[in-house]
Amino acid sequence: EIVMTQSPATLSVSPGERATLSCRASQSVSSNLAWYQQKPGQAPRLLIYGASTRATGIPARFSGSGSGTEFTLTISSLQSEDFAVYYCQQYNNWPQYTFGQGTKLEIK
Amino acid sequence: QLQLQESGPGLVKPSETLSLTCTVSGGSISSSSYYWGWIRQPPGKGLEWIGSIYYSGSTYYNPSLKSRVTISVDTSKNQFSLKLSSVTAADTAVYYCASPLSDYGDYWGQGTLVTVSS
Repeated sequence: EIVMTQSPATLSVSPGERATLSCRASQSVSSNLAWYQQKPGQAPRLLIYGASTRATGIPARFSGSGSGTEFTLTISSLQSEDFAVYYCQQYNNWPQYTFGQGTKLEIK
Repeated sequence: QLQLQESGPGLVKPSETLSLTCTVSGGSISSSSYYWGWIRQPPGKGLEWIGSIYYSGSTYYNPSLKSRVTISVDTSKNQFSLKLSSVTAADTAVYYCASPLSDYGDYWGQGTLVTVSS
């Protein structure tokens, strides 16, 4: 089983600043990596797939990078609605997949 | 635009079987474009994939749950279902049905809280 590890667990950033979230896979997942945003009481929302492709309707301030075992989600200028929990998901052996434990992005 | 809706009991007793159904609307569950899945989230914790099914009936399960999980599809009702046996308090969670990362989008139900308690 591929284990996904996200860091940090909590990230405190001021609005307007840049946020960088990390995700590491226990073995290579190529570019089969997605990022989700989840707000309280809501289902996860897809932000990025294929490691770097934004999903439909996702603002350009969200960007993803990486391949193999190291991945990054960057939010270039934080808006108030961006404070949420973010999960990475590997799907290298589709339709089996695993999620990271999440990074909570909070207002500083 | 696909819509998914979970249904089933919100309270299950320990050692019994949890049963949930996901009803798909706005598209056919028999489409080759989608895999259907169950994901759960214990209160205050992260997301855990439970398993996936294709319209043909092919199933894929999380190894940690495989001995207790059965996922099935009913194409005549445009539904797929989850059964989790021998539940304990550790199975208390919000259960989501989803068709993630499909050719046409990423679709999730709103989630349903299932509590395991006597």
